Amino acid sequence: NAGVMQNPRHLVRRRGQEARLRCSPMKGHSHVYWYRQLPEEGLKFMVYLQKENIIDESGMPKERFSAEFPKEGPSILRIQQVVRGDSAAYFCASSPRIYSGNTIYFGEGSWLTVV
Amino acid sequence: ELKVEQNPLFLSMQEGKNYTIYCNYSTTSDRLYWYRQDPGKSLESLFVLLSNGAVKQEGRLMASLDTKARLSTLHITAAVHDLSATYFCAVDSRANYGGSQGNLIFGKGTKLSVKP
Repeated sequence: NAGVMQNPRHLVRRRGQEARLRCSPMKGHSHVYWYRQLPEEGLKFMVYLQKENIIDESGMPKERFSAEFPKEGPSILRIQQVVRGDSAAYFCASSPRIYSGNTIYFGEGSWLTVV
Repeated sequence: ELKVEQNPLFLSMQEGKNYTIYCNYSTTSDRLYWYRQDPGKSLESLFVLLSNGAVKQEGRLMASLDTKARLSTLHITAAVHDLSATYFCAVDSRANYGGSQGNLIFGKGTKLSVKP
């Protein structure tokens, strides 16, 4: 059973370009979460999605960031007009239902470097 | 604002020694997580603690939860080099802040280095 799959693992973008990060949840999981980790920091929640729905985007920056989880295909985190401060590791996680005591499962992360 | 504080943030210890990492959080929550992260890698789930007095053990690691004190501990027994990593605790924000499931508040992590 494959885990949470993220790609690309490493991405370099120049300032002003767009970054697209993809996440395929674990098989059987319908809930996806995106987190950002700045260097030497803990993870910060960004957004929680179910298929075709954004449930909680309270951690998403108001501008330039968007996320989707279409009916078919992976979840996408999109960052437009990237700036140096966007350089971070972006982790996707998934779960079936969390309140049965299950944990959520994290992917390997996508490391974005803005030059 | 729900805050999660870990201490120490850096820990250097010798093999064979015992130590405890502390995780304090600012308000009640119904579940607490411990994760391990190796450099450049993802987070590995270690423990999920769901109730007051919960204690879980896996190998040389033991986690406990005191919801009244809003404190969780991760105890390391007879450390070995393979335990070198960064350890995070995280608290579910939903219980008191109306956050959604999966909206976990993480501590800054404890970077553990075990030396021979």
